[in-house]
Amino acid sequence: GDSVTQMEGPVTLSEEAFLTINCTYTATGYPSLFWYVQYPGEGLQLLLKATKADDKGSNKGFEATYRKETTSFHLEKGSVQVSDSAVYFCALSPSNDYKLSFGAGTTVTVRA
Amino acid sequence: NAGVTQTPKFQVLKTGQSMTLQCAQDMNHEYMSWYRQDPGMGLRLIHYSVGAGITDQGEVPNGYNVSRSTTEDFPLRLLSAAPSQTSVYFCASRGLAGTAYNEQFFGPGTRLTVL
Repeated sequence: GDSVTQMEGPVTLSEEAFLTINCTYTATGYPSLFWYVQYPGEGLQLLLKATKADDKGSNKGFEATYRKETTSFHLEKGSVQVSDSAVYFCALSPSNDYKLSFGAGTTVTVRA
Repeated sequence: NAGVTQTPKFQVLKTGQSMTLQCAQDMNHEYMSWYRQDPGMGLRLIHYSVGAGITDQGEVPNGYNVSRSTTEDFPLRLLSAAPSQTSVYFCASRGLAGTAYNEQFFGPGTRLTVL
């Protein structure tokens, strides 16, 4: 079945460092791909998405590119801030379904 | 527009007790779902619904019941709580119009502890 694998954390960075979180997926067809973010004590909110190969999703300085050939959707940010401290989830939605499959989540802590 | 709301925020139960987690949305979304979040396991789908009167099982449905009598509400019932059901529970909703890339909106979660 469909599945998502993302790099394990926790990840600890200094402010202004470069962040990358790897995400790979297994799915048939052409799923939609998402990154969700969960700030401490809150629910999940959509960070960015991509719906077809070579699409680039971007939001709040974060970017991720849908790579069909490597079945990947890595999240990157060039200069992180303390406010980026959160848990990040990679997820996919099959092309013929509404359900989301999530990766395990990566906890990111940014220190001033 | 409150989005997706969940009550209670915290709950402690004893083994064998039953309870209902409430979820409501005011976005007129057809699709609603319940997830549980456990450390190192991401979110796992418990039950979902594509409209009033229609529900189906997700990945981990055992020990949980749902019903969907209205578009707005999607309660999750724990029939006989077990320590393995200690978790954070999230309700989510999305519209069905369009395709699978529609955003799911999540509630703030209910942290449940079963002793």
